[in-house]
This record gives sequence, structure tokens and C-alpha cells, in this order.
Amino acid sequence: KQEVTQIPAALSVPEGENLVLNCSFTDSAIYNLQWFRQDPGKGLTSLLLIQSSQREQTSGRLNASLDKSSGRSTLYIAASQPGDSATYLCAVNEGANSKLTFGKGITLSVRP
Amino acid sequence: DTEVTQTPKHLVMGMTNKKSLKCEQHMGHRAMYWYKQKAKKPPELMFVYSYEKLSINESVPSRFSPECPNSSLLNLHLHALQPEDSALYLCASSRVWGLGSPLHFGNGTRLTVT
Repeated sequence: KQEVTQIPAALSVPEGENLVLNCSFTDSAIYNLQWFRQDPGKGLTSLLLIQSSQREQTSGRLNASLDKSSGRSTLYIAASQPGDSATYLCAVNEGANSKLTFGKGITLSVRP
Repeated sequence: DTEVTQTPKHLVMGMTNKKSLKCEQHMGHRAMYWYKQKAKKPPELMFVYSYEKLSINESVPSRFSPECPNSSLLNLHLHALQPEDSALYLCASSRVWGLGSPLHFGNGTRLTVT
């Protein structure tokens, strides 16, 4: 059974820092991995999707990498801003039924 | 703006009420999903519809009844809920079911059962 782990559960950083959020998964047989952002009480916003054949994806200040063989993904946020404060969830899609297995998320707080 | 629209945004209901949650997408997606998310927990899959047919029911209690009247609409009918059913209910859609098709989520309905 696939398990997705995100550590730490919470992170607080000063504005302007570059930071890395980690995600690990136990079964490397995945179709893709998505990083989502969730603001309090809101739905999930897809940030980046990495297909299993890809190594990384970039969007603005965000860069996500995937090392399928080692079961790891990282989300890199450059020059963090207070508006980046949210919970970041990674989810793996094993493809057969598009069922996503989520990590528990990392709650990020960026201090002004 | 999300491309998956959920109504209402908030719902408070008593344990004897009957209510419905609605979800709509116009992206031509043929798979739609209901997820339940408790506070500080990741979303949990409840139901999957593919081409308007129920494909997955994750052993959800019968007090939750999904319906997919057409390819753009997904409903979740609620009856005789319990306070522990209070949660954020998220709808999602994908181009197809399977093959790693990425999911697009709505903003959810915050449900409180009193």
C-alpha cells in the first residue's frame, strides 16, 4: 500500500528565504506526482504536476523535482513571501484509477 | 478562479435534515470525484464517477448518496448525517478516470452537522 510522508508538519521562515519542502513515497510505480496548495478552509490548487518520466517542473518561483527510484520529490520555493503561507500537500497518482494518495501536508508560515 | 464550481460554500444542517451538495465543471472531463477532508488531515476519496457511472465507492455510509445526472454535474445527497460527518467536502474532475489523468479540485463545501 502506497504511503506518502511529508516532514516536517509545519515550517516557519522569514520572508525572502529560499526553502525546500520534502515528500517521500514508498512505491515507485507511480504515473505522476502533484503538489497542491491549500489555504485555510479552501480547496486544493494544483501547483505543479510531474509525470513519472520527468525529473522536474517549474512555474514562476516554484520548482518541483522527482526522483522516482528513491521515492522522493521536493518543492523548491524561491524568495518566499508572506502570501506563500499555506499548507502544501503532495499526492501521488498510481494511475490505475486516478486515485491520489496524499501526504499530510506541510503548513508553511512566512513571516514578514 | 477554479474551473470546478461547488455550491453551497457553507452548509449547516441538523441530523434529521436532507440536503444536497452540488458540483459543476465545463472542461469536458469525464471523471468526477467526491473527497472528504477533516481538519488538519489530507483529503480522503469517497466516490468516483466515470462517464456518469459510479466506478468507486470507498465503503461510504449510505447516508451519503452520490448522483451524476450528466457529464458536467455531480451531486452528493445527504440524509441523517452525524456530527462526525462535519468536514470540508471537495469535488474534483479529471479528463478521464485512470491513466494518471490529473485532478482539478473545487473550493469545497464546508459542512457542519448539528
